[in-house]
Amino acid sequence: NAGVTQTPKFQVLKTGQSMTLQCAQDMNHNSMYWYRQDPGMGLRLIYYSASEGTTDKGEVPNGYNVSRLNKREFSLRLESAAPSQTSVYFCASGSGSNQPQHFGDGTRLSIL
Amino acid sequence: GEDVEQSLFLSVREGDSSVINCTYTDSSSTYLYWYKQEPGAGLQLLTYIFSNMDMKQDQRLTVLLNKKDKHLSLRIADTQTGDSAIYFCAESQNSGGYQKVTFGIGTKLQVIP
Repeated sequence: NAGVTQTPKFQVLKTGQSMTLQCAQDMNHNSMYWYRQDPGMGLRLIYYSASEGTTDKGEVPNGYNVSRLNKREFSLRLESAAPSQTSVYFCASGSGSNQPQHFGDGTRLSIL
Repeated sequence: GEDVEQSLFLSVREGDSSVINCTYTDSSSTYLYWYKQEPGAGLQLLTYIFSNMDMKQDQRLTVLLNKKDKHLSLRIADTQTGDSAIYFCAESQNSGGYQKVTFGIGTKLQVIP
C-alpha cells in the first residue's frame, strides 16, 4: 500500500523558475493538504482541499497555487520561485474530520 | 489562536524511558497526535488520543492527556536507538469541513547506546 506519494524527492531551481510538485494518494481520502517544513517553525499549512473540486488557502499561501486534479491527486505550483521558498514540502491526506492525516516522504526544494 | 509548544531536545540512554512533553492552547481540540520523523523521511503517525480520554497505551507507547492543564505527554518505554528521531505533537480541530492541524516544532530525541 503506497499511501501518499510525492514527486520529485529533490529539486534545485533557480530564482524565477517555475515548478509543480506532485502528490497522489491511494487511500480514497477526501481531504488533501500541502505543508512546508522549515527549521524551528514546525509545519505550516500552505493550501488544502477539503474535497474534490475545492481548494482553500492555509496559513502561508503567498507564492503558491494548487490544483486538485481528481480525488487522488493534488499538485502544488510555484510560478516564480524565490529563495524564501527553499524548504521541505509535505503532502498529506485524510479521510475527513476526526481522522489523522497521513504524510508523504516530502520534496526537498532548494532555490538558488 | 492555536499554539503547540514542546521542548527542542531530549537525550536518554538506551533502555531507559523517554518522556516527551507538549502543551497546547486550544480547548476545542478534538484529537491530539504524536508523529515521528526520521532523517530524510516524512511524518509517521505514532499514536493519537481523543480529547475526552486521559490515557492511551500502545505497546511501548503511553500517551497521557491532562485536558485541564492542556498538557500532553508521550512516554516511550525501553527506549531503543531506533527511536532516535524528531517527535511532533499536534492538535486538531474541525474547521469548515476540513481538519485543521497545528503542529509543534518538534522534539529531537537522542538515544545514547
